[in-house]
This record gives sequence, structure tokens and C-alpha cells, in this order.
Amino acid sequence: EVRLLESGGGLVQPGGSLRLSCAASGFTFSSMAMSWARQAPGKGLEWISLISYTGDTTYVADSVKGRFTISRDISTNTLYLEMNSLRAEDTAIYYCVKMRGLGSHQYYSMDVWGKGTTVTVSS
Amino acid sequence: QSVLTQAPSVSGAPGQRVTVSCTGGSSNIGAGYDVHWYQQLPGTAPKLLIYGNINRPSGVPDRFSGSRSGTSASLAISGLQVEDEADYYCQSYDSSLSGYVFGSGTTVTVL
Repeated sequence: EVRLLESGGGLVQPGGSLRLSCAASGFTFSSMAMSWARQAPGKGLEWISLISYTGDTTYVADSVKGRFTISRDISTNTLYLEMNSLRAEDTAIYYCVKMRGLGSHQYYSMDVWGKGTTVTVSS
Repeated sequence: QSVLTQAPSVSGAPGQRVTVSCTGGSSNIGAGYDVHWYQQLPGTAPKLLIYGNINRPSGVPDRFSGSRSGTSASLAISGLQVEDEADYYCQSYDSSLSGYVFGSGTTVTVL
């Protein structure tokens, strides 16, 4: 069974930093592209960032570009999201997502979602 | 403002068929990028419902079906059941934004 377990969320002041982790199991982590997505309170879904299965290519949404960095460690089957210069509008549930698809990443779907970890940015 | 437009809500009686629509533009659905659908039950994480416009992952009932035409896509739920009450989101890729985009979400209510 595919399992994605996020951790690292919490309360942080504006301008602060946080590092989210996602422990993956039940599939060959090194063979799958992964993403982070988020959902602000009472709002819809927003894709944040994707990392290729090799880890050498990343894509980032404009809303977090220059502030958030995605990375992965295949030795521990862990996905990370480094978040800097946090703003109130970054307050959301952050989901770790296993991607599904072959070929160009533009056609991938978001196959399996973790339960999420909550990030609150407030003074 | 979501790039993909969905009606805020749709409702139907048990057993009926309802349709959730998703309208995009020339840089996403109209450009030929696949549309995927997600179901989010209250208080839970989203779940992939339809991928590649028409395909159901293993375990998804065949009451759920997807289609795409031009700059729009639709999710149909036939034989509506109480447990189908949820938020439904469409998703595609947008070449202008160079990223994945979601619809604003549609809440399906079973009367």
C-alpha cells in the first residue's frame, strides 16, 4: 500500500522558515516524480512544486518561486519542502503527492495524496 | 481567480445523474493537456478520481466518468449516492503559467 506521511508543519512568524518532510513507502520512490500541493483554509487546491524522479529537475509555482525549494533523498525515501520568507497567505494544509504518468510531466496526474500537515503563518 | 472555471455547486437526488463541468482556455485544456479529476470528502485529502480525461484508477466505481472536448471537460456521476457528497476539482497543465492548475471546485450535494 502506498503511504505518504507529512511532518514538520506548525506555527511560524511572518518572514520565518519551515522545512516539511514526507516519508514515502509502498512504492519505488526513486522511480516516481513527486509534488507538493496546498489548500488554504476554506479554499481550493493549489499545486506548489514538482521534482522529477531523478531529482535533477524541479518546477515551482510562481506564487512561491524564490522562496520554496523542493528536494528528495532516495536513500531515505523522503521528500522535502524548504519554505523561506513565509507570508500569511502561505497558511494552508500542505500535501505530499505521488505523481502518475509517463513521458512529459505536463500530462501527469496526482495519483496519491498524503493526509497533509498544517502550516500557520501568524505573529 | 482559478484558471479553470467550475460551478460552485451541483445537486441531485439519489440515483440521478449529475455533471460537473470544467472550462479552461487555449493554454490549458484547449492546448490538448490532459484533464484529471479529484474527489475531496469532507475533512480528508483529495483522491484521484479520473486521470487522462477518461480513465478510472483501480477501485473507482464505473459510476464516475470523464470526458473532454475543446476547452472544456466534464465529470459525470450516474446513480448518485449519499457517499458521493464531496468537493470535486478538475486539474490540468497551463503552458502560460508553466505549471499545474486546478479548478475552483464544485460541491456535489445529494438531496
